[in-house]
Amino acid sequence: QKEVEQNSGPLSVPEGAIASLNCTYSDRGSQSFFWYRQYSGKSPELIMSIYSNGDKEDGRFTAQLNKASQYVSLLIRDSQPSDSATYLCAVLTASKLTFGTGTRLQVTL
Amino acid sequence: NAGVTQTPKFQVLKTGQSMTLQCAQDMNHNSMYWYRQDPGMGLRLIYYSASEGTTDKGEVPNGYNVSRLNKREFSLRLESAAPSQTSVYFCASSEVNNYGYTFGSGTRLTVV
Repeated sequence: QKEVEQNSGPLSVPEGAIASLNCTYSDRGSQSFFWYRQYSGKSPELIMSIYSNGDKEDGRFTAQLNKASQYVSLLIRDSQPSDSATYLCAVLTASKLTFGTGTRLQVTL
Repeated sequence: NAGVTQTPKFQVLKTGQSMTLQCAQDMNHNSMYWYRQDPGMGLRLIYYSASEGTTDKGEVPNGYNVSRLNKREFSLRLESAAPSQTSVYFCASSEVNNYGYTFGSGTRLTVV
């Protein structure tokens, strides 16, 4: 079992819709969770971090964490074509940060 | 504010050649990292430096060496390049170890 798993996609959503990106992790001791956005040919950029169960909102982005079920999600409301990118989930476990392989999001007109 | 600067952006090496990838940050961050990114493999940690004066191996250190020259600079050296080292290399830094990385723009390395 991979430490951090993401569906590679592509996830295709129409403009204006909600995009839901999911990530599961294997270690119950994981303590911090991050979402990075990576445009094609560019470097990753941190967009959200979440440390406790529940929701954390920042503009159109909402991160959701459920430690009991070992998953973390990223919701993007009112999706825009500029949101088309690969979204990387990263999980911190005992000083080791592990990245998932990413989910490619396509927002269609 | 430049953030994290990596050089070069592109490089082609012949098998067996050596080279050093340079990385510098101007955010006064304590921690710096070198990752490689390969299709289907995600980002994998090569080496990191939690603070000035310390370096540690990551997940895939074989074939690489690093130097934390000072708080700003962290270089990655390939002593004898192999085709398996063809990849995109990213340097990153953070104020606190493992939290809130800022990435450089990357080096696309091809070993032939």
